[in-house]
Amino acid sequence: DVKVTQSSRYLVKRTGEKVFLECVQDMDHENMFWYRQDPGLGLRLIYFSYDVKMKEKGDIPEGYSVSREKKERFSLILESASTNQTSMYLCASGTGDRFYEQYFGPGTRLTVT
Amino acid sequence: AQSVSQHNHHVILSEAASLELGCNYSYGGTVNLFWYVQYPGQHLQLLLKYFSGDPLVKGIKGFEAEFIKSKFSFNLRKPSVQWSDTAEYFCAVIPYNNNDMRFGAGTRLTVKP
Repeated sequence: DVKVTQSSRYLVKRTGEKVFLECVQDMDHENMFWYRQDPGLGLRLIYFSYDVKMKEKGDIPEGYSVSREKKERFSLILESASTNQTSMYLCASGTGDRFYEQYFGPGTRLTVT
Repeated sequence: AQSVSQHNHHVILSEAASLELGCNYSYGGTVNLFWYVQYPGQHLQLLLKYFSGDPLVKGIKGFEAEFIKSKFSFNLRKPSVQWSDTAEYFCAVIPYNNNDMRFGAGTRLTVKP
């Protein structure tokens, strides 16, 4: 079974703090993704990575950065957290070129106060 | 820009009722199509997928979906729902040769026992 783990299920941070969300997958997948999930908006892609040290912006990259130093690990960084970044953050991984499907982690519910 | 529309925000059914959840997308080329499900408190998981071939695809737990290219639709169906089908359902689309997966806003299904 594919396993995608995220470092925290729940996180509470203060405005202006730097926040790190970590994601690890155990299936040697090339592709990894960070989404945020908000009610009525579904999932929106923040960033994805198709290889180590490679990254591409998704729909809503503003206020976020990412790091992929190892194939199994993809980190999402909020340089200076703001209240509008309160959300559920989902990490996913996948393999292949055209024929890939994404395996999701359990999510991190981040609250910025 | 490519978009995915799910017409119903919240659907409430009684057990044994039939289900159809609508999904339409705006991309004009070849696409891969997915339905994901998120049960309360659980990971987002793949319910079924369409890449090519028979436009009627069967997934887990008795779900099926039909791809109608002329209508840009990929509706999810189940002939008889159960209380355990209570969940949020997301339609997703990936254009061929593209990493840009787009999700719909989701439909919350509540099945009353």
